[in-house]
Amino acid sequence: SAVISQKPSRDICQRGTSLTIQCQVDSQVTMMFWYRQQPGQSLTLIATANQGSEATYESGFVIDKFPISRPNLTFSTLTVSNMSPEDSSIYLCSTGSGTEAFFGQGTRLTVV
Amino acid sequence: GQNIDQPTEMTATEGAIVQINCTYQTSGFNGLFWYQQHAGEAPTFLSYNVLDGLEEKGRFSSFLSRSKGYSYLLLKELQMKDSASYLCAAFNDYKLSFGAGTTVTVRA
Repeated sequence: SAVISQKPSRDICQRGTSLTIQCQVDSQVTMMFWYRQQPGQSLTLIATANQGSEATYESGFVIDKFPISRPNLTFSTLTVSNMSPEDSSIYLCSTGSGTEAFFGQGTRLTVV
Repeated sequence: GQNIDQPTEMTATEGAIVQINCTYQTSGFNGLFWYQQHAGEAPTFLSYNVLDGLEEKGRFSSFLSRSKGYSYLLLKELQMKDSASYLCAAFNDYKLSFGAGTTVTVRA
């Protein structure tokens, strides 16, 4: 299993600013995933982050809005840029072994 | 594309059994996950089915039929703490596609 520490757990941000979310895994993992969960909805994959290469973004998500870093096999960051109220969501990082997937505690973001 | 369908809500009585169905249409299917998510918390892993059939884990069981694109999660001897959202997710290639989740409410 893997334990993921994600921070911050919550934040309230002004529109137009940026927030960087960090995830630290207690073991080396090949892939890390970033999800968004909007109020009352399920999880939507934003991008897949591999160490040593650019992140792969899903349809509807772009690097300029959600830049991702993956400097090593235990750490990743997601930045939500130029925020608007529509970005208010829970953001989750995840990793997995192929038979099990683990999630960070989530970051509850409110943009005002 | 991916299409994962599950009911929006279900209500059951404490001690009863509830079955949450999930149908999926996805390319490159590897297996089917079930997660439990309490309000305001991250999802927690319940089960992962790769082969057809029923897998039992205590009060929770999960079934998969790959030919029918169908799975269900069976919750037995319901407890109040089982009130949560239950998410099915298809694992294809290397990533998960989630259904919208089924909110289960357990009543005394």
